[in-house]
Amino acid sequence: GEDVEQSLFLSVREGDSSVINCTYTDSSSTYLYWYKQEPGAGLQLLTYIFSNMDMKQDQRLTVLLNKKDKHLSLRIADTQTGDSAIYFCAEAKNTGGFKTIFGAGTRLFVKA
Amino acid sequence: EPEVTQTPSHQVTQMGQEVILRCVPISNHLYFYWYRQILGQKVEFLVSFYNNEISEKSEIFDDQFSVERPDGSNFTLKIRSTKLEDSAMYFCASRGGGSNEQFFGPGTRLTVL
Repeated sequence: GEDVEQSLFLSVREGDSSVINCTYTDSSSTYLYWYKQEPGAGLQLLTYIFSNMDMKQDQRLTVLLNKKDKHLSLRIADTQTGDSAIYFCAEAKNTGGFKTIFGAGTRLFVKA
Repeated sequence: EPEVTQTPSHQVTQMGQEVILRCVPISNHLYFYWYRQILGQKVEFLVSFYNNEISEKSEIFDDQFSVERPDGSNFTLKIRSTKLEDSAMYFCASRGGGSNEQFFGPGTRLTVL
């Protein structure tokens, strides 16, 4: 089946690193994504990783993928108050309609 | 920068009424999607659309729902007879051919009274 699980809340101090974790069940997923949703706004694609990669770095963002454990993480270095948002982990397969399955989202609080 | 737009931003309707949610995908994109997010819950896939046909739909997308691309720019979601539980934020997304990135619109908040 297709399911994506995330912890619901994370609180960090400004300047610290944040690590948001996610597990997924579908081993045939081709792409794994991190989306950001600010209050009242839509979904902004932050970064994604192909399932044949272990790591991807993009400025302050580092994505780690452990395919064996079906575990994905997003590390935000030097977290800022503007990073406060809900972060969604998501998976998709390059088959059929390419639907995306989302986790419930992790609400990140950044304390000044 | 091109973006997906959605109208209206907020729609209030009475139970049993029909609603049409509108989306303008990014102009050269070929694949179109609707998702919904009930308040405080996951974003859920509803339907994907390509080449004027539904390519995949979820269990949520029952006979009360339909999608259409009436012209070269709009992509609509119709709910024939709204129920209270249809209250949610509805997101449209589009994707270019050969790309794995879906671009999401800002959403339409549907409130069914």
